[in-house]
Amino acid sequence: DAGVIQSPRHEVTEMGQEVTLRCKPISGHDYLFWYRQTMMRGLELLIYFNNNVPIDDSGMPEDRFSAKMPNASFSTLKIQPSEPRDSAVYFCASSLDYVRQARGPDTQYFGPGTRLTVL
Amino acid sequence: AQSVSQHNHHVILSEAASLELGCNYSYGGTVNLFWYVQYPGQHLQLLLKYFSGDPLVKGIKGFEAEFIKSKFSFNLRKPSVQWSDTAEYFCAGSAGGTSYGKLTFGQGTILTVHP
Repeated sequence: DAGVIQSPRHEVTEMGQEVTLRCKPISGHDYLFWYRQTMMRGLELLIYFNNNVPIDDSGMPEDRFSAKMPNASFSTLKIQPSEPRDSAVYFCASSLDYVRQARGPDTQYFGPGTRLTVL
Repeated sequence: AQSVSQHNHHVILSEAASLELGCNYSYGGTVNLFWYVQYPGQHLQLLLKYFSGDPLVKGIKGFEAEFIKSKFSFNLRKPSVQWSDTAEYFCAGSAGGTSYGKLTFGQGTILTVHP
């Protein structure tokens, strides 16, 4: 398997522009997560989906951020309008669901990340 | 509130030295604990995880961690580090039930190993 795929790997944009980050999870995984990593705040969970349905978006910083998962193999994280403080590395991760089988949480597999710079 | 904290921001060691990175958690009820590593320029990879059973967990690349419930700790250890272990290490936790999958990460510890 190719692992979690993210695009673009690097994005430089100007303040006020719309930014769309893309993620393709590992085939067959049930969960998809979006994280943001900054020096100041470390790794933060923004939102996660289970079977394409958003379960918890309490980490989304503000209304400028939105995420969708139209199908099991694709998700987007959109920032509109972007601001310099949004500059960070955004990671997508996916995992299987073993809860029903009482095997505990499965590993989250992370993508390579998108480094976003907003000027 | 659920939280994970790591004691050290930056640890510097020489090759062959022993390593112990501290991690403490604050969770009510069942907790699942993880250590992830991020090598320079790469994405996060799982080193090891604990959710039940033997509190001493062995992971990849010679790493191990011990879950000590009475101390709310999950410290990462390696008896002899190598230059290639230079990376940032993250402790993370999640609770079962409705919070499944929601990982909370510690601040991270940068490990620098000198040859």
